[in-house]
Amino acid sequence: GQQLNQSPQSMFIQEGEDVSMNCTSSSIFNTWLWYKQDPGEGPVLLIALYKAGELTSNGRLTAQFGITRKDSFLNISASIPSDVGIYFCAGSNRDDKIIFGKGTRLHILP
Amino acid sequence: DGGITQSPKYLFRKEGQNVTLSCEQNLNHDAMYWYRQDPGQGLRLIYYSQIVNDFQKGDIAEGYSVSREKKESFPLTVTSAQKNPTAFYLCASSPALRAGRGTEAFFGQGTRLTVV
Repeated sequence: GQQLNQSPQSMFIQEGEDVSMNCTSSSIFNTWLWYKQDPGEGPVLLIALYKAGELTSNGRLTAQFGITRKDSFLNISASIPSDVGIYFCAGSNRDDKIIFGKGTRLHILP
Repeated sequence: DGGITQSPKYLFRKEGQNVTLSCEQNLNHDAMYWYRQDPGQGLRLIYYSQIVNDFQKGDIAEGYSVSREKKESFPLTVTSAQKNPTAFYLCASSPALRAGRGTEAFFGQGTRLTVV
């Protein structure tokens, strides 16, 4: 089936640093989604992207829908302790099926 | 409050027993999904339903069954045929497709199933 390759698998950063993660696919998607999951909770939608080339921000978060429609990235600026968690990318098409990457686990060093 | 409710939060069952996980949404969303999450595996799609009385298998449907008799409800049964049922199960829903777009999913809080 379709797969999303998300990288890096995990990141260790200092508080205040910027973070960048990305997601690539062998298939085209019409929509790219970015989620954050805290331990023991369901993922929460951060940003949804609907158009190739689209750049969207949500506070300190910025995500882009790649021109080829096969990739997307998420940047977090000036990280804070509550940014810790697992970040997932996901792609969907008109068939309603939503496919997820394996996640990037973000750790913030004291 | 509008949202997606999964119950229970924690569930323990003996090996060989079937168990049904509940998922209800009052968002008037058309599509509903079940995902399984294991450590390091991300979210894997079990089943999804685009409309009442219809559903499709996802990537790991073996050992699971679902029904969609009402728009608001999409229960998942983990059968005894599922070889490794212990996992975190997530239900999600999404609104109707819009022209030219895919869709975004909104998740419940999850049910952690432990089979002993």
